[in-house]
Amino acid sequence: TQLLEQSPQFLSIQEGENLTVYCNSSSVFSSLQWYRQEPGEGPVLLVTVVTGGEVKKLKRLTFQFGDARKDSSLHITAAQPGDTGLYLCAGAQLTGANNLFFGTGTRLTVIP
Amino acid sequence: GAVVSQHPSWVICKSGTSVKIECRSLDFQATTMFWYRQFPKQSLMLMATSNEGSKATYEQGVEKDKFLINHASLTLSTLTVTSAHPEDSSFYICSARGAHSLGNSPLHFGNGTRLTVT
Repeated sequence: TQLLEQSPQFLSIQEGENLTVYCNSSSVFSSLQWYRQEPGEGPVLLVTVVTGGEVKKLKRLTFQFGDARKDSSLHITAAQPGDTGLYLCAGAQLTGANNLFFGTGTRLTVIP
Repeated sequence: GAVVSQHPSWVICKSGTSVKIECRSLDFQATTMFWYRQFPKQSLMLMATSNEGSKATYEQGVEKDKFLINHASLTLSTLTVTSAHPEDSSFYICSARGAHSLGNSPLHFGNGTRLTVT
């Protein structure tokens, strides 16, 4: 089992604040994806990072893949209530197998 | 974009009965589908990988005789929870990748099925 630990597990912040979510593992992944899930729905893909050290921006969200491809971070600038949800990182195996290993999840609540 | 439809979205059943959940890829062919289980406020736990035309691969600790998976076509996989018990109550989610997708390509998720066993 390739564990992906996310921190923090829960985060409650005021609207307008910045935050960072971390996704760490001792395993190397060929790529890492970030998803956001709202209650009662399936996860929705936010981004895929493939290259070690890669940084991708999606509006107020900045994603980074660690140089060694073992970890990743998600930074949200000026959080808004619409950012509330469960954020999941997921790593793809080096072997090219089809399945993803999901992180432990970070539940974000942005208070208006 | 690719759409995965999961049905039903919620179901309540009595203990001892069986429940079938369907996962369909609507606009693409999926040789592989994945079934996950999610407890409240927790992450997704992979239960099994469903391969079209062959037996599913179950993760450690998942009873294959209790969670029957059938992937009879390139667009449909079903998960049947047999002899359901209250502890089987959970949110079940399926996902799929296109037939020629690589490991890095994203998964397309259904909207999940909330199962409550009374």
